[in-house]
Amino acid sequence: GAVVSQHPSRVICKSGTSVKIECRSLDFQATTMFWYRQFPKKSLMLMATSNEGSKATYEQGVEKDKFLINHASLTLSTLTVTSAHPEDSSFYICSARDLRGLANPNEQFFGPGTRLTVL
Amino acid sequence: DAKTTQPPSMDCAEGRAANLPCNHSTISGNEYVYWYRQIHSQGPQYIIHGLKNNETNEMASLIITEDRKSSTLILPHATLRDTAVYYCIVSWRTSYDKVIFGPGTSLSVIP
Repeated sequence: GAVVSQHPSRVICKSGTSVKIECRSLDFQATTMFWYRQFPKKSLMLMATSNEGSKATYEQGVEKDKFLINHASLTLSTLTVTSAHPEDSSFYICSARDLRGLANPNEQFFGPGTRLTVL
Repeated sequence: DAKTTQPPSMDCAEGRAANLPCNHSTISGNEYVYWYRQIHSQGPQYIIHGLKNNETNEMASLIITEDRKSSTLILPHATLRDTAVYYCIVSWRTSYDKVIFGPGTSLSVIP
């Protein structure tokens, strides 16, 4: 089955630093990747939609200059949290859509998530 | 905003069937009903999806009402490992459509 990986799985950083999270589709090509954030005991909140080779589309209320998304290839999207602060501490999850989407019922595959802690 | 409503929590005895309801009264004709679940501190996992007909796979069954305004996910023999948050989602079946999660139902399977 289709696999999405994220790296790192956990990261602790100091306030003011930037953190990059990678999302890779391992055995399929993903035209579109999505980034979610999840706070404890809350549901996943969509942050942005990332299309390969074009600028990401951010959801309302998500700062595009703080959460930089790059989707340079069909298998890799990165989320960079710039000048991280403690309130950015969260569980970040990516997902990817298979290019074959219409024929594949399991159309959205989720990564295992990255736990970010900002001190 | 999520297009579905689900009860916030449910309990189920181990070995019994777990029936998780979902209302999606504003679903449009070309939208599918998807179910995902999320075990604590993991990424969501696809369970099943359907358009009009009832569907069954190795994990669960999906029962969709004739008017498509509601559905029920059935885990036929719940185990402790089925304890998770279950999300019912309505979405177009294209590569580009985003998935919006509601609060889901927290299912606790009790020994």
